[in-house]
Amino acid sequence: DVKVTQSSRYLVKRTGEKVFLECVQDMDHENMFWYRQDPGLGLRLIYFSYDVKMKEKGDIPEGYSVSREKKERFSLILESASTNQTSMYLCASSLTQVGPSNQPQHFGDGTRLSIL
Amino acid sequence: GQNIDQPTEMTATEGAIVQINCTYQTSGFNGLFWYQQHAGEAPTFLSYNVLDGLEEKGRFSSFLSRSKGYSYLLLKELQMKDSASYLCAVRDNNAGNMLTFGGGTRLMVKP
Repeated sequence: DVKVTQSSRYLVKRTGEKVFLECVQDMDHENMFWYRQDPGLGLRLIYFSYDVKMKEKGDIPEGYSVSREKKERFSLILESASTNQTSMYLCASSLTQVGPSNQPQHFGDGTRLSIL
Repeated sequence: GQNIDQPTEMTATEGAIVQINCTYQTSGFNGLFWYQQHAGEAPTFLSYNVLDGLEEKGRFSSFLSRSKGYSYLLLKELQMKDSASYLCAVRDNNAGNMLTFGGGTRLMVKP
């Protein structure tokens, strides 16, 4: 079974702090993703990476950055946390697909981040 | 851009059948996924449709009509453990094959 592990289930930080959320997958997947999940808005893609040291902006990258130094690890960074970044953050990974493919994304359990 | 709509909440009775609908608008459709998410847990993959028709997996089935931009997830013989949110997600090959998720449907199964 694919295992996607996020470093913290719950995290409380203060406005202005630099926050690191870590994600590790054990299935040698090329693609990794960071989403945030808010009530009524569903999952929104922040950033994704399709290879080591590669990153692409998703739908809502403002206020975030990412790092992928190793294939199995994808970090999300809040450069200067703000209260509107209080949310559930979900990491996912998947194999690369060419054409139509049923390769799903596999998700971690999420990190519930509160910014005070 | 994409627009994905699904009902916010549904209630059904244990043992019954429930259908959760999802409509979408996308320029480069390349597959539709359904995920289940229990409260406080990770979304887990349920089904995938890329061609028109019905895909059946035990008590769960998923249907797709590409011409109508429509899918549904059918849950039969409902069990209490089926109480969860169900997420519809569409892959668009004009958006780097990324997934866009609907807001999710929260299903409550009552005895």
